[in-house]
Amino acid sequence: DTGVSQDPRHKITKRGQNVTFRCDPISEHNRLYWYRQTLGQGPEFLTYFQNEAQLEKSRLLSDRFSAERPKGSFSTLEIQRTEQGDSAMYLCASSLAGGGNSPLHFGNGTRLTVT
Amino acid sequence: DQQVKQNSPSLSVQEGRISILNCDYTNSMFDYFLWYKKYPAEGPTFLISISSIKDKNEDGRFTVFLNKSAKHLSLHIVPSQPGDSAVYFCAASPKVGGKLIFGQGTELSVKP
Repeated sequence: DTGVSQDPRHKITKRGQNVTFRCDPISEHNRLYWYRQTLGQGPEFLTYFQNEAQLEKSRLLSDRFSAERPKGSFSTLEIQRTEQGDSAMYLCASSLAGGGNSPLHFGNGTRLTVT
Repeated sequence: DQQVKQNSPSLSVQEGRISILNCDYTNSMFDYFLWYKKYPAEGPTFLISISSIKDKNEDGRFTVFLNKSAKHLSLHIVPSQPGDSAVYFCAASPKVGGKLIFGQGTELSVKP
C-alpha cells in the first residue's frame, strides 16, 4: 500500500510534555498538509508544504506547534508543552500540485490524548 | 466563521433509496468542491469532486450537483447501500490542489 502513512496511530501524554508525529506522504506528491479534527467537527487546516517550503500556516497553529519537511519527503509535527485542548486527531494529507484534478489523500491520523 | 456548512448532522435512509447530502458555502472565491467519506478510526477518503465550471459530475452511484448562484452543493447516492453508512464531509478550495476548507460532516446511516 503506497498511501499516506502516519505514526504513531495513538499517543497519550501528560500535560506539559512535548510530542512529535510523523507523516510519510504518497511518494510522487509534492504537497503535504496537516489538519486537526475534534469530535463532531470537520478537519481544520493547520499548515501545508510544497516540497520543503512551508507555504501557509493557520492562525490556529500557536507558537507551541511547529512543522517541518526537511527534504521535501516526510514531515513532522511537534507540539511543545501540550495542553488538554490539544487532544484531537491529527491528520496528514498529500496531493500533487498542478496535477489537474488532484484531491488531497489522507492518512489514518494520529489520535492525541493529553491527560 | 464557518465558510462551509453542513446543516444536517445526521441522515437516515432505507437501503435502495436515494441519499441526498447538502452543503452550503459562503466564499465566492471557492472554485473546486469535493466530497469525502470517513469511517471510524480512518482518515477521510476522497469520493468525488466538481469544479465551478460544471454543475454536475457523476461517478457510478455518486453524483455531485453544484448551484453556484445559491452557493450550494449536494451529493446524491443512489441506490444507497448499508456500506455507505459513514460520515460525509464536503470541502471547498479556491483552486485545484489547494488547501481544503471542510464542513462539519453529516453522518449517514443506511438501514437494511
